[in-house]
Amino acid sequence: NAGVTQTPKFRVLKTGQSMTLLCAQDMNHEYMYWYRQDPGMGLRLIHYSVGEGTTAKGEVPDGYNVSRLKKQNFLLGLESAAPSQTSVYFCASSPNNLAGIYNEQFFGPGTRLTVL
Amino acid sequence: KNEVEQSPQNLTAQEGEFITINCSYSVGISALHWLQQHPGGGIVSLFMLSSGKKKHGRLIATINIQEKHSSLHITASHPRDSAVYICAVRSLAQKLVFGQGTRLTINP
Repeated sequence: NAGVTQTPKFRVLKTGQSMTLLCAQDMNHEYMYWYRQDPGMGLRLIHYSVGEGTTAKGEVPDGYNVSRLKKQNFLLGLESAAPSQTSVYFCASSPNNLAGIYNEQFFGPGTRLTVL
Repeated sequence: KNEVEQSPQNLTAQEGEFITINCSYSVGISALHWLQQHPGGGIVSLFMLSSGKKKHGRLIATINIQEKHSSLHITASHPRDSAVYICAVRSLAQKLVFGQGTRLTINP
């Protein structure tokens, strides 16, 4: 099993350009998440999904859109990139929350994005 | 004030030393996670606990729900333990909140 994979690993954009980050998991997990990690700050949740076809906003959703058309994939889109979106982006997945027992999250390797 | 505070922010120690990293939180929680982020950036889950203590190899995690405090201990530390250790709590509103991380460096 590959676990959680992210594409691309690195990307440099100019202000105003758009791009899509792809997250894929092969563990049949229901839940998927997109985080950003900035220096001196903890991971912050951008958007998440509790199942195929559903998405929800996290803590810092502005400037991002997501889609979960297939259970194994969770896409993060930047329509018009800004320098403030320079960050490392992590995708994660976790199994379904059964009986209120929360499971660990499995993280992808990260995508380092620079917006000039 | 952050809902999750870790201390220390940076820790340097010699190989073989006993390491303690602390995490304090200010919200009611259903679970607490300890994560390890390697120098290359990858993040792995070490522990998830809601009470008591868990042990995995040289790593021990404890939590005191009444005091809203958790500790991560590393016994017989090794340079390969050098990483950023992250505490995260799942609040009663089911929101996962991360601490800023503790950067640990173990010198040979």
